[in-house]
Amino acid sequence: GAGVSQSPSNKVTEKGKDVELRCDPISGHTALYWYRQSLGQGLEFLIYFQGNSAPDKSGLPSDRFSAERTGGSVSTLTIQRTQQEDSAVYLCASSLGAESRAFFGQGTRLTVV
Amino acid sequence: SQKIEQNSEALNIQEGKTATLTCNYTNYSPAYLQWYRQDPGRGPVFLLLIRENEKEKRKERLKVTFDTTLKQSLFHITASQPADSATYLCALDQETGGFKTIFGAGTRLFVKA
Repeated sequence: GAGVSQSPSNKVTEKGKDVELRCDPISGHTALYWYRQSLGQGLEFLIYFQGNSAPDKSGLPSDRFSAERTGGSVSTLTIQRTQQEDSAVYLCASSLGAESRAFFGQGTRLTVV
Repeated sequence: SQKIEQNSEALNIQEGKTATLTCNYTNYSPAYLQWYRQDPGRGPVFLLLIRENEKEKRKERLKVTFDTTLKQSLFHITASQPADSATYLCALDQETGGFKTIFGAGTRLFVKA
């Protein structure tokens, strides 16, 4: 596609349920990032995939969060047993790698009720 | 600890003036630094990238400086316009087995007509 695509754009879920967020990066981009942004706040780094290397998971806030990237393309971010503090916009970005700009998707707004 | 600091207070300036935004960092050795613009409800959009061996970079009305001794970058918008009103994010890329991009919290700019 022409840009980074995220789905769904909005997700309302009940506390305790699991959710999966999807990111389709730009074709050919080897680097993929997940960030979280709470209302009025900056971007919080969650996880980074680069090619076939092991992902950098240092930003995942708890073991309820996990992500995978299949075939070096599509990525899913899974949040298990959602809590109200997980409510935020989850942004995905991809890039060609070093010294390359990141292209962001429009984000998934997650609301845990 | 590692920090990227941007002024959390909004910057209000008059149309036609130069806006200057600051990004300070500690305990990072970035290979390069980027600036992004974010509008409400949208993902960040890339503006400029400056490498560690570059002092200054310009693009149209935008100018970025990078001082690795002071550990600071300044972002200038000359002849500012109301359409420049947005949040501006500073981002660092440091090689840690791949270039991971970490963002500051951003500074909100309001340009009054």
